[in-house]
Amino acid sequence: GAGVSQTPSNKVTEKGKYVELRCDPISGHTALYWYRQSLGQGPEFLIYFQGTGAADDSGLPNDRFFAVRPEGSVSTLKIQRTERGDSAVYLCASSQTRDYTDTQYFGPGTRLTVL
Amino acid sequence: AQSVTQLDSQVPVFEEAPVELRCNYSSSVSVYLFWYVQYPNQGLQLLLKYLSGSTLVKGINGFEAEFNKSQTSFHLRKPSVHISDTAEYFCAVSPYSGGGADGLTFGKGTHLIIQP
Repeated sequence: GAGVSQTPSNKVTEKGKYVELRCDPISGHTALYWYRQSLGQGPEFLIYFQGTGAADDSGLPNDRFFAVRPEGSVSTLKIQRTERGDSAVYLCASSQTRDYTDTQYFGPGTRLTVL
Repeated sequence: AQSVTQLDSQVPVFEEAPVELRCNYSSSVSVYLFWYVQYPNQGLQLLLKYLSGSTLVKGINGFEAEFNKSQTSFHLRKPSVHISDTAEYFCAVSPYSGGGADGLTFGKGTHLIIQP
């Protein structure tokens, strides 16, 4: 079946602009995660949704970052007033349940470049 | 909180030779352990995971890993590598319950380079 998809695959923006990154999880997966992967680093946890609610947003770096999942499926990561330091690959993952043993399936990522 | 250390940023190996990628972790709570692989221009894919039971875990593509609680390690091994194993390998941990963020905590990755 279809895996996790993310759009756009690449996004170039200017410093100070607003961007939205979209994630379509695997159908039926209730848990959804956002990670950020900077160059030469491993993915870093940002936020986790169980259903429609953000169950853990402790990884969001500051209040310029916000994410929603209004219907418990598609999620959008929103970044306001982008800074050059926000440049990274943003990864989305989903798992069938919230169980810590469940495998997280990752999308291909959105590469964000802030000029 | 948890942390993961992958000491080797790059590991060059000749084709058909064995390889070991090292992973050590630190955590104040019990954790589950994972290895993910990222092939060029592809998303992260689960190789294997340790949840409980036998400390030797077998995964896809002939990889295996051994959990060592006393040394807080989860090293990845393959007895004979192929060119197609060239990729970035990430070790990750997740808490049993609570005790930290709900997401996985990843190491910085090890780039496995297979030389013909």
